[in-house]
Amino acid sequence: KQEVTQIPAALSVPEGENLVLNCSFTDSAIYNLQWFRQDPGKGLTSLLLIQSSQREQTSGRLNASLDKSSGRSTLYIAASQPGDSATYLCAVDGGGNKLTFGTGTQLKVEL
Amino acid sequence: EAQVTQNPRYLITVTGKKLTVTCSQNMNHEYMSWYRQDPGLGLRQIYYSMNVEVTDKGDVPEGYKVSRKEKRNFPLILESPSPNQTSLYFCASSFINTGELFFGEGSRLTVL
Repeated sequence: KQEVTQIPAALSVPEGENLVLNCSFTDSAIYNLQWFRQDPGKGLTSLLLIQSSQREQTSGRLNASLDKSSGRSTLYIAASQPGDSATYLCAVDGGGNKLTFGTGTQLKVEL
Repeated sequence: EAQVTQNPRYLITVTGKKLTVTCSQNMNHEYMSWYRQDPGLGLRQIYYSMNVEVTDKGDVPEGYKVSRKEKRNFPLILESPSPNQTSLYFCASSFINTGELFFGEGSRLTVL
């Protein structure tokens, strides 16, 4: 059974800092991996989707990498802003659009 | 505007009183799914559907039913709610070939 772990559970950084969020998974037989953002009281918003054949995806200040062999993905956020404060979740698709989610990293970017 | 719409957003009910949470998407997605989110447990899949009239159990289907009579709608039915079904519920949809999930705003359910 796939297990997805995100460490740390919470992170606080000063504005402007570059940061890395980590996601690890136990079964490397995946179709894709997605990173989501969740604001308090809101649904999840898809940030980046990396197909199993890809190594990374970029969108603006966000860059996500995927290393299937080691069961790891990272989300890099450049020049963090207070508006980036949210919970970030990764989810692994093991086939048939069946996603397994991590419990998330709660990020706070302080002025 | 492309969106996934859930109703109600908030509901307080009592044990045993049947309820339905509706979900509708306007993006012509084949795939739809229900999740529940609980502190410390993350999001867990309840049921999913790959297309009309095709539904399958997720990881925590006990106590729930779904139907997919139309492509745009995927209601979640709790026939006899119990307090352990108190949770935050999310509906999501996607095209099968892209896999990018779009989520609704969530429905917070409290069962007394």
